[in-house]
Amino acid sequence: DIVMTQGALPNPVPSGESASITCQSSKSLLHSNGKTYLNWYLQRPGQSPQLLIYWMSTRASGVSDRFSGSGSGTDFTLKISSVEAEDVGVYYCQQFLEYPRTFGGGTKLELK
Amino acid sequence: EVKLLESGGGLVQPGGSLRLSCAASGFTFTDFYMSWIRQPPGKAPEWLGVIRNKANGYTTEYNPSVKGRFTISRDNTQNILYLQMNTLRAEDTAIYYCARDAHYWGQGVMVTVSS
Repeated sequence: DIVMTQGALPNPVPSGESASITCQSSKSLLHSNGKTYLNWYLQRPGQSPQLLIYWMSTRASGVSDRFSGSGSGTDFTLKISSVEAEDVGVYYCQQFLEYPRTFGGGTKLELK
Repeated sequence: EVKLLESGGGLVQPGGSLRLSCAASGFTFTDFYMSWIRQPPGKAPEWLGVIRNKANGYTTEYNPSVKGRFTISRDNTQNILYLQMNTLRAEDTAIYYCARDAHYWGQGVMVTVSS
């Protein structure tokens, strides 16, 4: 299975500051078709995970442009510019290159 | 509007069985892959499996962690996705979500395995 490893945030993050969440995969998620098979989700307290980013850098419908995804084949970053109260929760990366799909352990964002 | 509504959760004894349902609406059900994902309390989500769409013969893939105990099926006339869970263990305790690709998730249903 592909192992997804997420970094921690130096919580709490001051409101209005930027935050970067890292994720590393044990295998390259870059397909020969040029696409990188990585999703980012936000799970707010008490809610289902919500898709933020797919194909490593494409924002899902309705997602604020304060969220951006970048990376290489194995190292990825989700950047949140100007953190707001609604961004609080746990962020997960997930690979969808191979079965079984696998998630990172999560990165918690707290607001100062 | 895409809607996914899980049901069938509850308390079950170790070794028991349970069938979860996911009622889908707002899209052409047969066009989409449908998945089950679970999340133990305070932990990360775990992908359980997928059933493909009509174009791909409704075939299935499973996480090895549940293969042989869990079965995913779909009723394409009623737009319902199922998860049959057998020989349940305490570590199967989790919120169970159905999902249509990565973009749409249900609200989840709690399954507790305990004596």
